[in-house]
Amino acid sequence: DVKVTQSSRYLVKRTGEKVFLECVQDMDHENMFWYRQDPGLGLRLIYFSYDVKMKEKGDIPEGYSVSREKKERFSLILESASTNQTSMYLCASSLTWPNYGYTFGSGTRLTVV
Amino acid sequence: AQTVTQSQPEMSVQEAETVTLSCTYDTSESNYYLFWYKQPPSRQMILVIRQEAYKQQNATENRFSVNFQKAAKSFSLKISDSQLGDTAMYFCAFMKGMNRDDKIIFGKGTRLHILP
Repeated sequence: DVKVTQSSRYLVKRTGEKVFLECVQDMDHENMFWYRQDPGLGLRLIYFSYDVKMKEKGDIPEGYSVSREKKERFSLILESASTNQTSMYLCASSLTWPNYGYTFGSGTRLTVV
Repeated sequence: AQTVTQSQPEMSVQEAETVTLSCTYDTSESNYYLFWYKQPPSRQMILVIRQEAYKQQNATENRFSVNFQKAAKSFSLKISDSQLGDTAMYFCAFMKGMNRDDKIIFGKGTRLHILP
C-alpha cells in the first residue's frame, strides 16, 4: 500500500513563526498536494506539484509556500504563521493521472496561538 | 467550473440500518470520475468507492454502493447494514480526468453518526 506520512500529528506554534509541515510518500507518485480542512468549508487546495521543483498555486495559496526538492517529499511552509492558519492540513499524492484518486496522509492539526 | 454539492451536513442512523448520502455535481464534461472518501474521527481519509462516468453499472464495495445517475448529475452513497465503525465524515469528489492538471474537487462533506 502507498504510504503518505506527515511528520507531525499535532503542532502548536506562535504567531509570526515560520512553520514547516513535511510530507513524504513512498510509492514514486508524481503528484503531491497540500489541502487545508476546516469545518463547513471542506477541503481547500493550497498548492500542488506535478514534479520535482515544480509547484502550482491552488485555490488559497496566500500566506503559504511549498518546496519539492525530491520526488518523495513535499513541504508546506507558513512564512509567518497567523491565527487564521489554525487548521487541519492534509497532504495527498497520486499517480500522474489520478483517476484512481488520491492517497492521503493522516493530517497535521496546527494551532497558531 | 465543476462543483460538488453535499446537501446533508450531518446525519444520524441506528446501527444495522441502511443510510444514503446525497451528492450532486455540475459539469459539462461527458467523461469523468467520481469518488467517495471516508474520514473517521482523528484518522486518515481513505477512498471508499470510485465510479467511472462512462460505465453504466453502479460501483459496489462490500456494504458500500453508489447510485450513479449521469443525466441527473447525482452520485449518492448507500451504506447497508451500517456499523459503528462507519461513523465518519464522508466526502464526495469529482475529477474531470482528461488532462494532467485536472484535480479532484471535493464537496464540503457529510458527518455521519452511527448510533448503537
